[in-house]
Amino acid sequence: SQQGEEDPQALSIQEGENATMNCSYKTSINNLQWYRQNSGRGLVHLILIRSNEREKHSGRLRVTLDTSKKSSSLLITASRAADTASYFCATDDNFGNEKLTFGTGTRLTIIP
Amino acid sequence: EPEVTQTPSHQVTQMGQEVILRCVPISNHLYFYWYRQILGQKVEFLVSFYNNEISEKSEIFDDQFSVERPDGSNFTLKIRSTKLEDSAMYFCASSVGLAVLEQFFGPGTRLTVL
Repeated sequence: SQQGEEDPQALSIQEGENATMNCSYKTSINNLQWYRQNSGRGLVHLILIRSNEREKHSGRLRVTLDTSKKSSSLLITASRAADTASYFCATDDNFGNEKLTFGTGTRLTIIP
Repeated sequence: EPEVTQTPSHQVTQMGQEVILRCVPISNHLYFYWYRQILGQKVEFLVSFYNNEISEKSEIFDDQFSVERPDGSNFTLKIRSTKLEDSAMYFCASSVGLAVLEQFFGPGTRLTVL
């Protein structure tokens, strides 16, 4: 798989349910960031988790990072219709470069 | 809340023409980036810029591309002679840098090359 692969590719859930998206990557990282993109629009930064962190919370978002498995998950609790969007993970590398490598994204649809 | 802005939101050009995409990064940020996203594909890194010079560039960023920070606020991406395959959404991003690593993205410029 490529650096930054999310699964599932698409997810549809009922409003109020929790949504979990996963991201796997191949190389060592310094940090992993999650972004949201509404259709055809810009990327909204959601949360950053560093390689020495295992879990981070921000409002209804919970991100975990398992560096031994090279994977991360994004949990959105109590989903709302406005959460409908594509979600991407993005990783840097640990060679001091700032460039982000993005995953393929999960398309989340919240059904009212 | 401060945000990255980009102009224009949509640019249509003929193949072979030069285009300049403009960005105003967040004012206290030191690192600037351009990414692009071809329709239906991943977001791809193009170039990073720090201290008035390119710090890293991808294979995509060939001689047809250039970046500039002409003054204290603007950051531009120039494509010298556009090709059909340059059609994409172009995103500018900025970060404070050093220990503050979050990259904040602008809304994008949709470039259509005819």
